[in-house]
Parts: sequence; structure tokens; C-alpha cells
Amino acid sequence: GQQVMQIPQYQHVQEGEDFTTYCNSSTTLSNIQWYKQRPGGHPVFLIQLVKSGEVKKQKRLTFQFGEAKKNSSLHITATQTTDVGTYFCAGPMGSGGSNYKLTFGKGTLLTVNP
Amino acid sequence: EPEVTQTPSHQVTQMGQEVILRCVPISNHLYFYWYRQILGQKVEFLVSFYNNEISEKSEIFDDQFSVERPDGSNFTLKIRSTKLEDSAMYFCASRRDRVGANVLTFGAGSRLTVL
Repeated sequence: GQQVMQIPQYQHVQEGEDFTTYCNSSTTLSNIQWYKQRPGGHPVFLIQLVKSGEVKKQKRLTFQFGEAKKNSSLHITATQTTDVGTYFCAGPMGSGGSNYKLTFGKGTLLTVNP
Repeated sequence: EPEVTQTPSHQVTQMGQEVILRCVPISNHLYFYWYRQILGQKVEFLVSFYNNEISEKSEIFDDQFSVERPDGSNFTLKIRSTKLEDSAMYFCASRRDRVGANVLTFGAGSRLTVL
């Protein structure tokens, strides 16, 4: 079945440093989604990428979707302590109807040293 | 902003006991999900539900698990005879419809501890 792989598993940075997490799918994706989970919290939707080669920005966060629609990355510029959490990519399976579900990567836990 | 609500936030139970976790999805959403997250691990799909029946279930969702939508608002996950390895955070999620709405909205989760 479809697998979504994510690296690194952990990343510790000093506040102000940049951070990147990478996601790879074993199959071509119709879209890819990114979620953030704060420690002790639940996954919260960040963004969805749909088009090949798409790049989207949310303030200091930059999301990219690969040309082949099998990989994606999230880059945070100048990390802050509020960025702490686990970042998950998730790829959809199914057509969008009742058989639709998201398959999550293992996530990258980001810790930021103030 | 509409949200998915889950109860209880934390449940401690003895091995072999039945547990029911409750969820109230967003009111105009049509697709409902249960996911599980063992501490420190990834979010794993358990089951999806649409039109009052299970759409798909994972290998984790064995005969000990069941889901139900007993009325127009609640969506429940029942574990008939809990095992130690069922200890995890259980997230309910819902999705609006298939047209341009692929995003899942997650509840805050129910932490299940089996002793």
C-alpha cells in the first residue's frame, strides 16, 4: 500500500536557525497536506498543495510540492519557540468519496532552543 | 470556528474492560474518521464512516473495535475488551464533502490508558 516517509525524525535547532522537513510518497499524490501537532495537542491543518511544482508561503513557512507530485518539503525560516511541535505530511488515498483517507508520515519533531 | 469535540479527554481503564469514546463532528460534515496515535508515534488510520456505514478500516480495526453513529450528532468508537496495547491517543476527524474539501478537521483527542 501507499507509504509516506518523512525525514528527519527529530530536529533540534537554536532559535533563529532555519528548519526543513522532507516528505516522500511511494506513489504519485493528487495533493499533499501538512499538519502541525503541538506537544500534547492534536494535528492541525496547515496547508494543502495540489499542483505539480507548487510553492506556497505562510509567513516564515514555505511549502513545496515536487514536480512528480511524490515529494514535498516544509521550510521554516528563522525558527521561533512557537514553532515547536511535530510536523506531519499526509497524502490522500481514495478518490475523494467514501473511500478517501489520509496516510500520515511519521512526522518530524522540531525543538527550538531559545 | 466550528470544531470537532471529543469526550472523555482522558480515560483510564482496566485490561478487558469495554471503552466508548465519543465524538461530535462538525455539523455539516459527511465523512467521519477515527485515527490512533501511540505515544511518540505517527497518526494511524483506523476507520472511515459515511452514510451510516463503515467505508474502510485498517488492519488495526479488528473485531474488538466498532463504530456507531447513534443519532444525528454523535460518532462513537467502542473497544469491547481493551488490551494494554490499545493505550494511545484516539483522534476523531471529520471532512465536509468530496468537492474541493480534502482536509480533515481533528478533535483534541481522547487519551486511553489501559492498565
